[in-house]
Amino acid sequence: GENVEQHPSTLSVQEGDSAVIKCTYSDSASNYFPWYKQELGKRPQLIIDIRSNVGEKKDQRIAVTLNKTAKHFSLHITETQPEDSAVYFCAARGSYGGSQGNLIFGKGTKLSVKP
Amino acid sequence: KAGVTQTPRYLIKTRGQQVTLSCSPISGHRSVSWYQQTPGQGLQFLFEYFSETQRNKGNFPGRFSGRQFSNSRSEMNVSTLELGDSALYLCASSLLARDEQFFGPGTRLTVL
Repeated sequence: GENVEQHPSTLSVQEGDSAVIKCTYSDSASNYFPWYKQELGKRPQLIIDIRSNVGEKKDQRIAVTLNKTAKHFSLHITETQPEDSAVYFCAARGSYGGSQGNLIFGKGTKLSVKP
Repeated sequence: KAGVTQTPRYLIKTRGQQVTLSCSPISGHRSVSWYQQTPGQGLQFLFEYFSETQRNKGNFPGRFSGRQFSNSRSEMNVSTLELGDSALYLCASSLLARDEQFFGPGTRLTVL
């Protein structure tokens, strides 16, 4: 089955710097890759997603890149702000014989943005 | 639109008991997935329901079960609770199985 590895597990940056979180997946049939942000005591919130027919997607300060050949995808946050501090999860989902598989999540990255 | 809601928000049970958790998806959403979140294991998939049918199941013992009703509301049940079942149980809804998932606030289960 699918396995998703996420690195680093913790990341500390200065306000205004960029942050990059990387994930690798094992199943070449995976075709949907969302990223979730979870603040302490709150629910995971979808911040951006990408499908396998696209190599990059941007939304203001957030971007995601996908390399299908290498089976990895990354989250890029530019001009980080203290409110970006949270745990970020990547996930992957495949399609099998026309049926959608379930989301498999990485273990999470705790991002701390220091003022 | 109202978001995904889960009840109860907190539960304390003792070993051997059983528990039922409820999830109400966003109006119009037909797919509901359940996850167990623990500090050590992260978010682990339990099962997914679509139109009252279980479509996918994660690698959890048979003590974990679920169902979905005709109004798309879903319940999950855990029988014979163990200490290791203590976790945050999250449900997520999506319009269709291939669409983005939106999470509820979770139910914090503590097993003593």
